[in-house]
Amino acid sequence: QTVVTQEPSFSVSPGGTVTLTCGLSSGSVSTSYYPSWYQQTPGQAPRTLIYSTNTRSSGVPDRFSGSILGNKAALTITGAQADDESDYYCVLYMGSGMMVFGGGTKLTVL
Amino acid sequence: QLQLQESGPGLVKPSETLSLTCTVSGGSISSSSYYWGWIRQPPGKVLEWIGSIYYSGGTYYNPSLKSRVTISVDTSKNQFSLKLSSVTAADTAVYYCARLEAPNRCSSTSCYTLYWYFDLWGRGTLVTVSS
Repeated sequence: QTVVTQEPSFSVSPGGTVTLTCGLSSGSVSTSYYPSWYQQTPGQAPRTLIYSTNTRSSGVPDRFSGSILGNKAALTITGAQADDESDYYCVLYMGSGMMVFGGGTKLTVL
Repeated sequence: QLQLQESGPGLVKPSETLSLTCTVSGGSISSSSYYWGWIRQPPGKVLEWIGSIYYSGGTYYNPSLKSRVTISVDTSKNQFSLKLSSVTAADTAVYYCARLEAPNRCSSTSCYTLYWYFDLWGRGTLVTVSS
């Protein structure tokens, strides 16, 4: 069974830039997996940030950007703010209607 | 503005069937560009896709849950539902319903889906499995 991998945790300084990645236990992530990214704060439903690799969802500030870096999908936050401190999940489309969530990255801003 | 709202019992006994409904308001569930899905999150753990359904009834399920899951749709009520059988404590989780955008582009000979992603989420409902 293919596992979607993310860094368990990451920290960034306020105003800094951080790149979170989303990979596969076997193989490379490409645009064909339509990677999407979600932000979740404790007790809240996820919020959609990025879809189809690099398209920002409505209302998402442009300091959030998505890309493919090497063999992984990536979410870059430029100019990190205190309220960016959240869990971030990627989702990959595996074909035949199947969606797989990554294990999430807990981002700390300090 | 379209909204999704989960409803159902917050407590289910082990070995019984968990049943939840998601009501779609502010828009129609019968749209060709969308599927409707269920996602869950055990306390302190990660999100897990359970399955998705099209308004015409076509379904996709997570292989790890497929033997216990049934997702159905009622277009007359603008609702879709989740049933998870033979539950155990491991099924205790916040259950979210969500809209999955999956628009098609068609040429004269074939169609393909442009992308797949969850674009709208319900607030979630906690279901505890306990005797």
